Amino acid sequence: AQSVTQLGSHVSVSEGALVLLRCNYSSSVPPYLFWYVQYPNQGLQLLLKYTSAATLVKGINGFEAEFKKSETSFHLTKPSAHMSDAAEYFCAVNSGGYQKVTFGIGTKLQVIP
Amino acid sequence: EPEVTQTPSHQVTQMGQEVILRCVPISNHLYFYWYRQILGQKVEFLVSFYNNEISEKSEIFDDQFSVERPDGSNFTLKIRSTKLEDSAMYFCASSERPDYGYTFGSGTRLTVV
Repeated sequence: AQSVTQLGSHVSVSEGALVLLRCNYSSSVPPYLFWYVQYPNQGLQLLLKYTSAATLVKGINGFEAEFKKSETSFHLTKPSAHMSDAAEYFCAVNSGGYQKVTFGIGTKLQVIP
Repeated sequence: EPEVTQTPSHQVTQMGQEVILRCVPISNHLYFYWYRQILGQKVEFLVSFYNNEISEKSEIFDDQFSVERPDGSNFTLKIRSTKLEDSAMYFCASSERPDYGYTFGSGTRLTVV
């Protein structure tokens, strides 16, 4: 079985501050991991993905995530928050090529001016 | 950039009526999915479709639901007799392979009254 846990359903940061959104996964096999972003009234957009190559993955809009097997974590970071980063972020896991992707509950990021 | 297109963007229907939600996946993708998101809740898997048949479905996807790929481009979700609790945002997604990540459509907001 595969699952992800996102710690913190709401995170607030000041503009220019570090963004850290936490995700821990559970998978019986080496997983593929994803972060998606959802802006209000829109679909989900793939931010970045880990597929067993480099453990530090860079995505769009300046976001990156680090896969840490020992901690079963895949936290999303951005050095400096921008107002346009305000959105909901979903961590997701796939436990092997042809299985479905399972999403976490999401974290709403608020950026305070 | 290729897109997944969903129609309609909004649908209001009376309880007990049938609805068909339509999706046009990316043309070279082979895997197709429906997910739903009840307001304020997590993104839930409904069904995956590959090689003209359902490859996996969730407990939510009961006999009231069906999917079809009636031609080479469309992928539809039918709800036979809608209930109030079917009100949600329904997302279609497609992928070349699940571990590559999905491309999502913008969603259909279904309101059952």
